Amino acid sequence: QKEVEQNSGPLSVPEGAIASLNCTYSDRGSQSFFWYRQYSGKSPELIMFIYSNGDKEDGRFTAQLNKASQYVSLLIRDSQPSDSATYLCAVNDSGGSNYKLTFGKGTLLTVNP
Amino acid sequence: EPEVTQTPSHQVTQMGQEVILRCVPISNHLYFYWYRQILGQKVEFLVSFYNNEISEKSEIFDDQFSVERPDGSNFTLKIRSTKLEDSAMYFCASSEGYYYAGAWDEQFFGPGTRLTVL
Repeated sequence: QKEVEQNSGPLSVPEGAIASLNCTYSDRGSQSFFWYRQYSGKSPELIMFIYSNGDKEDGRFTAQLNKASQYVSLLIRDSQPSDSATYLCAVNDSGGSNYKLTFGKGTLLTVNP
Repeated sequence: EPEVTQTPSHQVTQMGQEVILRCVPISNHLYFYWYRQILGQKVEFLVSFYNNEISEKSEIFDDQFSVERPDGSNFTLKIRSTKLEDSAMYFCASSEGYYYAGAWDEQFFGPGTRLTVL
């Protein structure tokens, strides 16, 4: 059973701080990694994707990937109260089931004004 | 900006009844998916669909479930005889299906249908 693990939180940071969200995955062959944001009662909204080892920056968001350690992270700089949500890490399975996204349970982030 | 749409937003049904959840994927996308999320739990894959056939399905997607693309725009999920444990948010997603060096492109999710089985 392929697994994606995240700390459930809640992670609480003050406004303007850096929020760091972490994710590990079990499928060593996975090649596609995604971060989604989910507000309560809403659908997952894509924030970033990363395919290669290293960092990928998009505005206030930076995704980091280390395939050797099977680890993905998301940094949110200058956190805003509107960033308060559950952040879902999702990974494409390798092999024949590579359309399928396996999600972690998500980390609840609270940004305090 | 193109988006995935779903109807209805909320469906209430009696146990044993059939329900059909509807989705309109993004128009140039080729791959379609259904996921579900039971309250407080993780998002779970149900099925993927490409070229008018199922390409992958999970253990959850048993004989009570079926999918169909009845025309050029709609993608439906049917649950033949609903059970209490089918109560969940059901999300439709779509993707272009771009695949390069082992990496698949991103999936975009619709707003979901909340299914309540009484």
